[in-house]
Amino acid sequence: GAGVSQSPRYKVAKRGQDVALRCDPISGHVSLFWYQQALGQGPEFLTYFQNEAQLDKSGLPSDRFFAERPEGSVSTLKIQRTQQEDSAVYLCASRPPGRDSPLHFGNGTRLTVT
Amino acid sequence: KQEVTQIPAALSVPEGENLVLNCSFTDSAIYNLQWFRQDPGKGLTSLLLIQSSQREQTSGRLNASLDKSSGRSTLYIAASQPGDSATYLCAAITQGGSEKLVFGKGTKLTVNP
Repeated sequence: GAGVSQSPRYKVAKRGQDVALRCDPISGHVSLFWYQQALGQGPEFLTYFQNEAQLDKSGLPSDRFFAERPEGSVSTLKIQRTQQEDSAVYLCASRPPGRDSPLHFGNGTRLTVT
Repeated sequence: KQEVTQIPAALSVPEGENLVLNCSFTDSAIYNLQWFRQDPGKGLTSLLLIQSSQREQTSGRLNASLDKSSGRSTLYIAASQPGDSATYLCAAITQGGSEKLVFGKGTKLTVNP
């Protein structure tokens, strides 16, 4: 596709509900990242995939957060038993191999937990 | 642990002015540093990427510099336009195999016509 696509664009969840956020990276991009951005803050790293392998999940804030990329393309970020502090914009980014390639970001999913 | 700081948090200038945005980082062992632009409700758009061996990169009216020894980078915008209004973020990848970018909180720029 033309860019990184994320869905849904907006998600409202009641506290305690589970949510699943989807990311379609640019075709051929082997590296995929998830970031969390609170209002007025910079993005905070959550996790990183190279193809289907999750190589770094050090940024996931708790075991309620889980990410997968089973076929090395589409990725899903799942949050179980959502809490109010999970409210944020969740950004997905992809890039070709190599750290000198710039990241391409999607428009994000804004999650509001009520 | 790498920390990235951006000053000022917000900046308002009249159209046509040249301006500088500042970024500082605590760990000078960076692999590269990147500047992004974020419009309201949107994702981030990559503007410039400076490798650790480089001192600066230019794209149109934008020029980014990197001084690893002082832990600083600047983004220079020439002849600012209202369309430049956005939040500008810098981010660094630290050497050592980590792939993650560490972001600053950004500088919100408003260019007034």
